[in-house]
Amino acid sequence: AQRVTQPEKLLSVFKGAPVELKCNYSYSGSPELFWYVQYSRQRLQLLLRHISRESIKGFTADLNKGETSFHLKKPFAQEEDSAMYYCALKSGETGGSYIPTFGRGTSLIVHP
Amino acid sequence: NAGVTQTPKFQVLKTGQSMTLQCAQDMNHEYMSWYRQDPGMGLRLIHYSVGAGITDQGEVPNGYNVSRSTTEDFPLRLLSAAPSQTSVYFCASSYSGRWTEAFFGQGTRLTVV
Repeated sequence: AQRVTQPEKLLSVFKGAPVELKCNYSYSGSPELFWYVQYSRQRLQLLLRHISRESIKGFTADLNKGETSFHLKKPFAQEEDSAMYYCALKSGETGGSYIPTFGRGTSLIVHP
Repeated sequence: NAGVTQTPKFQVLKTGQSMTLQCAQDMNHEYMSWYRQDPGMGLRLIHYSVGAGITDQGEVPNGYNVSRSTTEDFPLRLLSAAPSQTSVYFCASSYSGRWTEAFFGQGTRLTVV
């Protein structure tokens, strides 16, 4: 069965510090991986997906199939990055459809 | 476009009561799903649907029922509320396919006393 692990419940950094939110997955095939973000009092929204290989709001994420990881990184954290971040995997395992499985989330707090 | 709309935003139930959480989307998405969000547990899939008339169970389906009579609507029914169902519930929808983005409702905060 597919599984997404986010080992950190909480990550606390100061403004300007580098940030890395960890995500590991277990799936034997080729996964589709995403990062979603939930800002305070807002709904979850897509941050980025690995197929796009793009940087969104300064964040990037690289799929490492050898380590089965999809860590989210940003070189210089900003206060507005404070939010809950969820890693998600789509594999087709859910009844043959692509319904995402989410990790438990990491709360990022960026101090001034 | 309204996107994904959930009602109500807040609800308090007594143990044993039943209720329906409503979810509607206006994007003509094939896929719809319900998640519950609990502290330290992340988002767990309750039920999902890949099209009108088709539903299936997710990771934590017990105590919940769904139906999908139209493309737009995907209500979640709590049959007999229990305190363990106190949670924040999110509805999501997306087009079918590997790389499609899921769009979420604003959530329903449910408390069962």
